[in-house]
Amino acid sequence: GQQVMQIPQYQHVQEGEDFTTYCNSSTTLSNIQWYKQRPGGHPVFLIQLVKSGEVKKQKRLTFQFGEAKKNSSLHITATQTTDVGTYFCAANGSSNTGKLIFGQGTTLQVKP
Amino acid sequence: EAEVAQSPRYKITEKSQAVAFWCDPISGHATLYWYRQILGQGPELLVQFQDESVVDDSQLPKDRFSAERLKGVDSTLKIQPAELGDSAMYLCASSLSGLFNTEAFFGQGTRLTVV
Repeated sequence: GQQVMQIPQYQHVQEGEDFTTYCNSSTTLSNIQWYKQRPGGHPVFLIQLVKSGEVKKQKRLTFQFGEAKKNSSLHITATQTTDVGTYFCAANGSSNTGKLIFGQGTTLQVKP
Repeated sequence: EAEVAQSPRYKITEKSQAVAFWCDPISGHATLYWYRQILGQGPELLVQFQDESVVDDSQLPKDRFSAERLKGVDSTLKIQPAELGDSAMYLCASSLSGLFNTEAFFGQGTRLTVV
């Protein structure tokens, strides 16, 4: 079945450093969503990317969707302790059934 | 703000017993998902409903798991009999229309421990 691979699994950064997580699929995606899960919490929607090559920004967060619609990235500039959590990409395959498949997530730890 | 409601929040059960989880999605949301999340991993899709119909249950272990959404509103996920490996967080999510890829809203989840 469809899978999305996410790397790295863990990332420890000093507060103020940048952070990037990558999501890759072997198949073309109709769109991709990003979620954040705080420790002990549930996933919360951040953004959705639909168009090839799309770039969206939310304050210090920059989201990109690859030209081939097979990969995506989330970049955080100047991390803060409030950025701690696990970031998941969730993909919808090209058949667009609404089936939302999650990656394994990248857990971000930020040292103050 | 509307939320996805799940109950119970925590459940401890003995192996071979039956267990059931309930989910009430946000009003008007046609798509409902049940996910299982093992600690340190991403949510694994078990079943997806569009209104009262199952759209995808390819990852649902049908020998022991069942899910229903009879009136296209709330939903129940059942495990019978429970096994030790079923210990996980069970998350319910809903979206206005999964087919148009609107964002999914998650409930707080039910943490299941099988002993």
